[in-house]
Amino acid sequence: GESVGLHLPTLSVQEGDNSIINCAYSNSASDYFIWYKQESGKGPQFIIDIRSNMDKRQGQRVTVLLNKTVKHLSLQIAATQPGDSAVYFCAERQTGANNLFFGTGTRLTVIP
Amino acid sequence: ETGVTQTPRHLVMGMTNKKSLKCEQHLGHNAMYWYKQSAKKPLELMFVYSLEERVENNSVPSRFSPECPNSSHLFLHLHTLQPEDSALYLCASSQDHGGGVSNQPQHFGDGTRLSIL
Repeated sequence: GESVGLHLPTLSVQEGDNSIINCAYSNSASDYFIWYKQESGKGPQFIIDIRSNMDKRQGQRVTVLLNKTVKHLSLQIAATQPGDSAVYFCAERQTGANNLFFGTGTRLTVIP
Repeated sequence: ETGVTQTPRHLVMGMTNKKSLKCEQHLGHNAMYWYKQSAKKPLELMFVYSLEERVENNSVPSRFSPECPNSSHLFLHLHTLQPEDSALYLCASSQDHGGGVSNQPQHFGDGTRLSIL
């Protein structure tokens, strides 16, 4: 079956440093991936997505990298700020399906 | 403001009560979802509606009953819940291409924190 997991449950970084959050997926039929950020007391907030025909996509201060060979997804946050402290989830969708499969999340803590 | 509004934000109910959760989306989307979020577990998809028709029901107990009267509103009716149903219930919406298939992100509300006594 599918599994979406995160390599590290927690990550602490110094303010101003870059953060990298990793995600492994097991289903090679997945063709769409999303990163979400969830702050305390709020719902998941869309950050960035990527389709399987791409290996990199950039947003504002964020970059998502997709390595289909090893089924690995990462989210890079540049110049991490205290407001970036949250739980980050990756999610995958199989081709032709409507379900998103979520990982358990990584808690990012930014140290001022 | 996410464009997806859920009410109430918090709900405490006894196991014999009947209550409903409400979700409204202002994004013009045609698909809506209910998820359950429990501590230290991945989000669990409960129900999917696309164009007001249910397209997914992930073996959810019958004590949860969804209703989608139109593409902007979604309800989750609750009755005779169990303590293990205490969780954060999240609503999401997205723009589908038909049949519940979409390569567009889902946008979430802030959830209803449900506690069963």
